[in-house]
Amino acid sequence: RKEVEQDPGPFNVPEGATVAFNCTYSNSASQSFFWYRQDCRKEPKLLMSVYSSGNEDGRFTAQLNRASQYISLLIRDSKLSDSATYLCVLLSGGYQKVTFGIGTKLQVIP
Amino acid sequence: GAVVSQHPSRVICKSGTSVKIECRSLDFQATTMFWYRQFPKQSLMLMATSNEGSKATYEQGVEKDKFLINHASLTLSTLTVTSAHPEDSSFYICSARDRNNSPLHFGNGTRLTVT
Repeated sequence: RKEVEQDPGPFNVPEGATVAFNCTYSNSASQSFFWYRQDCRKEPKLLMSVYSSGNEDGRFTAQLNRASQYISLLIRDSKLSDSATYLCVLLSGGYQKVTFGIGTKLQVIP
Repeated sequence: GAVVSQHPSRVICKSGTSVKIECRSLDFQATTMFWYRQFPKQSLMLMATSNEGSKATYEQGVEKDKFLINHASLTLSTLTVTSAHPEDSSFYICSARDRNNSPLHFGNGTRLTVT
């Protein structure tokens, strides 16, 4: 089983739609979780950290479910500018080990 | 916010030459930096973890003698691609963090083309 499983998509959604991505992980000792956004041919940029208590930033909500070992990202009222690849990133091994998901490609359509 | 600067952003070199890429943390000290590469339409692949003052830890399949990593200070790590070949052409990115559980901050990447 891969350390991190993420549906590569693409997810094609109309403007204004709500879309959700999940990322499952196998290492129960994973310590920190993040969602990053990567635009084509650019470096990843931090979108938000993920906590068990949930984290909301405007139209974006991230959640960690330790019992089921997954993190989620919900995007409400999708904008064209949300089109990108969304990466889940985990830190483990005393925060020394970094594990990436393959990334989920989102395409918001007019 | 934490800033990581990577230089150069783009380099074209001839086969057989070596290329050095610098990664600097501008406003924080980074005891750990990470190096990745990304081929077109593929996901980021971790190449190595670099700790200040010690040898880098390479991922399986990454040649340590080809990809030399030096992390001589808390704000600078370098990746040298030695004897570059066309198949080394890729997007190389570094990242760093200032505390153990803080998010990673990425450099803007270096697009290497070997002709």
